[in-house]
Formats: sequence, structure tokens, C-alpha cells
Amino acid sequence: GDSVTQMEGPVTLSEEAFLTINCTYTATGYPSLFWYVQYPGEGLQLLLKATKADDKGSNKGFEATYRKETTSFHLEKGSVQVSDSAVYFCALSGVPGSARQLTFGSGTQLTVLP
Amino acid sequence: NAGVTQTPKFQVLKTGQSMTLQCAQDMNHEYMSWYRQDPGMGLRLIHYSVGAGITDQGEVPNGYNVSRSTTEDFPLRLLSAAPSQTSVYFCASGQTGIAFFGQGTRLTVV
Repeated sequence: GDSVTQMEGPVTLSEEAFLTINCTYTATGYPSLFWYVQYPGEGLQLLLKATKADDKGSNKGFEATYRKETTSFHLEKGSVQVSDSAVYFCALSGVPGSARQLTFGSGTQLTVLP
Repeated sequence: NAGVTQTPKFQVLKTGQSMTLQCAQDMNHEYMSWYRQDPGMGLRLIHYSVGAGITDQGEVPNGYNVSRSTTEDFPLRLLSAAPSQTSVYFCASGQTGIAFFGQGTRLTVV
């Protein structure tokens, strides 16, 4: 079945540092890929998504590129802020073009220090 | 803009008790789903529905029942709670390409 493997945390960075959170996946066909963010005490919010190979999703300075050849969707940000501290989840949907029946990675806790 | 609303936010149950976790959405989404979140395991799909009267099982359906009588509501029922069902439960609804999550219900079974 489908699976998502995500970089283990926790990750601690200083403000303005470069962020990479690795995500690789296993799926048949052409899944849609997502990054969700969870702030303390809240539900998950969509951060960005990509629906086909070589698509780049971007939002709030975060980027991730759908790499089918390496089955990866790594999250990057050039300069993190304290407000980016949260848990980040990589996810896929095996239903093309949708966000249905999501399979999630285990999550990466990010803490950004001032 | 309510979005996806879950009640209650917190609940403690004794083993063997039953309860219903409520989920309502006001975005007229056909698709709704329930996930549970456990430490180190991300979120796992329990049940989902593609429209009123239609439900199906996800990855971890055992011990849970659902029904979908209206587009807006998708309750999750625990018939006989077990300590293994201690978790945080999230309801989500979606349209093409985007899933919207509620704020979660933290359930403890003692």
C-alpha cells in the first residue's frame, strides 16, 4: 500500500536559518502530494501541494517540488521565523487530483529559536 | 466562517463506555473523513464518506462506526471504548485537492 517516510525530528533551528525536511513516498500511479502544518492545539492546515511530476508547490516562503524519479517531496524554506515553529506533515493521496484518503508521514516537530 | 467543527474538544471515558464524536461542516463538501493521531505515527484514516448515505473503511476502522445521513454531519461512534482508542481524533472535509481539518477531539480511555 501507499506509504510516506518523513525525516525524524525534532528539528531546532535559529531564526533566519535554512530549513529542509525530507519526505519520500511509495505509491502506485500518480499520487497528489501535500505538506500540512499543525500549530499547537490546532488542527492541520494545508501548507502547499503538488499534483503532478515536476510541479512546485509554494506558500508563505515554503517550497516543495514533486520529484517522481526520486519519489520525493522535500520541504524547504530559505529563512525560517519563530512563527514557523510547528509540526509539519508530508502526505499523499492515491486518488489523482484529490485530497481524499490521505496517507501521512509521522510528522516533524520544528522549533525556531530567536 | 465555521469550517469544520468538532465536539467535544476533550473527553475521558471508562473502558466499555460508548460515545459519539460529532463533526459538522458548513462548506457543502461531499467528502468527509475521520483520522486518529497517535505519537510518532502521523494521522491514520479511520472511515470516510463520499456523500450522504455512502461510507467506507479506512486503514484502522475496527472499533468505530460511522453514518452519513446529511451532507453536513459525519459522526464517529465508539461502541465499547478501549484504552487502545486513546488518541486525538480529527475530522476533515474536502473538495477537489484540498482537505480542511477540524481542531480535534482529545479522547482518553481509562
